[in-house]
Amino acid sequence: QVQLQESGPGLVKPSETLSLTCSVSGGSINGYYWSWIRQPPGKGLEWIGYMYHSGTTNNNPSLKSRVTISLDKSKNQVSLKLRSVTAADTAVYYCARGHWGMTPRCEWFDPWGQGTLVTVSS
Amino acid sequence: DIQMTQSPSTLSASVGDTVTITCRASQTISTWLAWYQQKPGKAPKVLIYKASSLESGVPSRFSGSGSGTEFTLTISSLQPDDFATYYCQQYNSPFTTFGGGTKVEIK
Repeated sequence: QVQLQESGPGLVKPSETLSLTCSVSGGSINGYYWSWIRQPPGKGLEWIGYMYHSGTTNNNPSLKSRVTISLDKSKNQVSLKLRSVTAADTAVYYCARGHWGMTPRCEWFDPWGQGTLVTVSS
Repeated sequence: DIQMTQSPSTLSASVGDTVTITCRASQTISTWLAWYQQKPGKAPKVLIYKASSLESGVPSRFSGSGSGTEFTLTISSLQPDDFATYYCQQYNSPFTTFGGGTKVEIK
């Protein structure tokens, strides 16, 4: 059974870069989409972006060019970098595996990691 | 972007009730829609995909329907474990979007 575990600093200063890692166990990164989704405290879900195992990426236009998602196949890890953060980036960050097969794009998400809270504050 | 609007935002119900949550898309998304359940402090869990397909292991009291722009999630005979927040997600577009959520509370 595939399990995902996010890790990284819980506190990031404004204007700096948020860096998170998602470790995948019980399965390979190959053959799937890998996505990051966030949830501000008390609010709804926001998709950040994904990377396909082939290297294809797609990011939420609202985050513009601040996002980089990468895969380390040798370590079975997915990484997220979000640059120039502000307080509005404070959220629980989830990594999730994207299902595909019915359409030529990332479909629904399962499983998810437990999430990690990142607070942006000086 | 495709906007997803859920209603109601909060729903109060009793154990044994049948509840329906609606999700409307700002443009047609065929049946490319998933539903999730999220409990406090936990990650979302997929219940339904392709609008009406039940994810393996999900109780049959959960059902989904709809196509185009209007979709519903129905929970028949609400159980104590079902009090949670529910989200819809469209994946018709490469830029996937979620609805704002519906919290199902105990009446």
